[in-house]
Amino acid sequence: GNSVTQMEGPVTLSEEAFLTINCTYTATGYPSLFWYVQYPGEGLQLLLKATKADDKGSNKGFEATYRKETTSFHLEKGSVQVSDSAVYFCALERDTGRRALTFGSGTRLQVQP
Amino acid sequence: DGGITQSPKYLFRKEGQNVTLSCEQNLNHDAMYWYRQDPGQGLRLIYYSQIVNDFQKGDIAEGYSVSREKKESFPLTVTSAQKNPTAFYLCASKTVWTVNTEAFFGQGTRLTVV
Repeated sequence: GNSVTQMEGPVTLSEEAFLTINCTYTATGYPSLFWYVQYPGEGLQLLLKATKADDKGSNKGFEATYRKETTSFHLEKGSVQVSDSAVYFCALERDTGRRALTFGSGTRLQVQP
Repeated sequence: DGGITQSPKYLFRKEGQNVTLSCEQNLNHDAMYWYRQDPGQGLRLIYYSQIVNDFQKGDIAEGYSVSREKKESFPLTVTSAQKNPTAFYLCASKTVWTVNTEAFFGQGTRLTVV
């Protein structure tokens, strides 16, 4: 079946530090990959996505590249801010069959001033 | 404004009671979803619906029921058969007939058994 594995958190960084949150997946076919962000007490918002191998999704300084050879979609940001503190979820959606997102367990990011 | 609305934000249930969580969207999306979020476990799919009057079980459907009588609405009932219902419940919707589209989420309902 489909699955998504994320690095465990919390990840604690100082402001302006470099961020990497690892994400690997297992899926048949050619899934689309997503990063969603959840701020405290709220629902999820799409951060970025990539729909095929070697695509790079980017938004608000965050980037992730769809690596089919390593089945990975790691999230990176060059300089984090306190306002980036949130929970980040990696997810996939298959290109056939059930059209529903499969999520990783989430990684909490805490950025200290 | 277009969006997806869940109510109530907080809900308390006594042992043995059924409770219903509301989810309404005005985005004209065909597909709607219910997820359960527990600490450290991410989101797990309870039920989903891709069209009115049709819905499918997700990965953890036991103890839950849904209906989809209108395109805009997808209520979730947590029945007394759900043994551990305390969790954060999230509803989502998306266009399903085009691939790779964004799912929009509601603000969630936090259910607590008292």
